[in-house]
Amino acid sequence: EVQLVETGGGLVQPGRSLKLSCVASGFTFNNYWMSWTRQAPGKGLEWVASITNSGGSTYYPDSVKGRFTISRDNAQNTLYLQMNSLRSEDTATYYCTRVRYYYVMDAWGQGASVTVSS
Amino acid sequence: DIQMTQSPASLSASLGETISIECRASEDIYSNLAWYQQKSGKSPQLLIYAANRLQDGVPSRFSGSGSGTQYSLKISGMQPEDEGDYFCLQGSKFPWTFGGGTKLELK
Repeated sequence: EVQLVETGGGLVQPGRSLKLSCVASGFTFNNYWMSWTRQAPGKGLEWVASITNSGGSTYYPDSVKGRFTISRDNAQNTLYLQMNSLRSEDTATYYCTRVRYYYVMDAWGQGASVTVSS
Repeated sequence: DIQMTQSPASLSASLGETISIECRASEDIYSNLAWYQQKSGKSPQLLIYAANRLQDGVPSRFSGSGSGTQYSLKISGMQPEDEGDYFCLQGSKFPWTFGGGTKLELK
């Protein structure tokens, strides 16, 4: 069974940093691209970052580019999201997702809640 | 960026009714479209990918169609467990973008 378990969420002040982790199991982690997608309270979904299976390439929307960094440790089956210079608009539940067929996010974690507030 | 316009924003359907949700892309996305269902308090679940391919384990009452800039999700016979939010996703170009969502309720 595919499992994605996110940790590292919490309350953080504006301008500070936070790092999310996602431990994957039930599939061969290094065969898949991985991504992060977020959902602000009561709002829709927003894609945040993607990384190739080797970790050699990463992709971001303009809203987080330069502030967020996606990375992975294939030996530990773990995906990361380093979030710097956090803003109130980054408040959301962050989902770790497995990606196949280039863009299809076919497995989602339970989500990690991030609140940016003073 | 490719804009995904999803309609309607909300929908109320009777048991057994057939419903459709539409997504219109601001440019051709070449069928690089997926549909997700999100039940209250849960993570999204993949229903359809490549516009019309049913994800394993998804009931056959769900179907997808479309091409170019126009896509739709059809539920043939609304069931109580189909209540939730539905989102489309385009993966034709970065940044990947979602539709605004459709809230589906049982009448």
